Amino acid sequence: DVKVTQSSRYLVKRTGEKVFLECVQDMDHENMFWYRQDPGLGLRLIYFSYDVKMKEKGDIPEGYSVSREKKERFSLILESASTNQTSMYLCASSRTGEGYTFGSGTRLTVV
Amino acid sequence: KNQVEQSPQSLIILEGKNCTLQCNYTVSPFSNLRWYKQDTGRGPVSLTIMTFSENTKSNGRYTATLDADTKQSSLHITASQLSDSASYICVVSHTGGFKTIFGAGTRLFVKA
Repeated sequence: DVKVTQSSRYLVKRTGEKVFLECVQDMDHENMFWYRQDPGLGLRLIYFSYDVKMKEKGDIPEGYSVSREKKERFSLILESASTNQTSMYLCASSRTGEGYTFGSGTRLTVV
Repeated sequence: KNQVEQSPQSLIILEGKNCTLQCNYTVSPFSNLRWYKQDTGRGPVSLTIMTFSENTKSNGRYTATLDADTKQSSLHITASQLSDSASYICVVSHTGGFKTIFGAGTRLFVKA
C-alpha cells in the first residue's frame, strides 16, 4: 500500500524553537509539497520540490524553509516557531500530471 | 484571479439521504478538477479526477460532474452513510506547471 508518511501526528513547541516536520513517500514520486490548512482558508502551499535538492516557494513561504536531500524525503523547517504557525501541516507527493497523495497531517501547536 | 469556491460551507443530512456539493471555479487555462475527501484530523484522499473532456465520473456512491463551459462541478453522494461525514475539497489545476487551487471545502455531517 503506497503512502506518504509524516513523522508526527501531533506536536507542541514553544515560541522561538526550531521545528522540523518530516515527510517520506515510497512511490518514487518526483514532486513533493508542503501545505498548511487553517479553518476557512483551505490548503495553502508553503513550498514544493520537483526534484532532489530543488525547491520552489509556494504562496506563503515566509517563516519556513525546506530541504530535499533524497527523493523520498521532504522536510519542512520552522526556523523560529511563532504562535501564528499553529496549524495543520500536510505533506503530499505526486508524479507530474497526476493527482496528489497526501500524508495524514501533523497538527502543530506553538505556545 | 484564479479561484475555487465551494458551497455550501457545511451541510447536515440524515443517513440514507442523497446530497450534492457544488464547486465553481475561475481557473484558466483549465487542466483538471479533482474531488478529495478529508476525514477529521487526516489528510485528503482522492475521490475523482476529471479532465476537460469528461463530464461525469463515478466512484462507488460518489458521482462527480463537470461543466467546463460554465466552470462548475458537483459531487453527488447517494444513500449517505455515517462514514461520509467529512470535508470534501474541490481542487482545480492549471494546464502545465504546478499551479493548483484548492477550494475551502464543504463540511458534511451525516447523522443517524
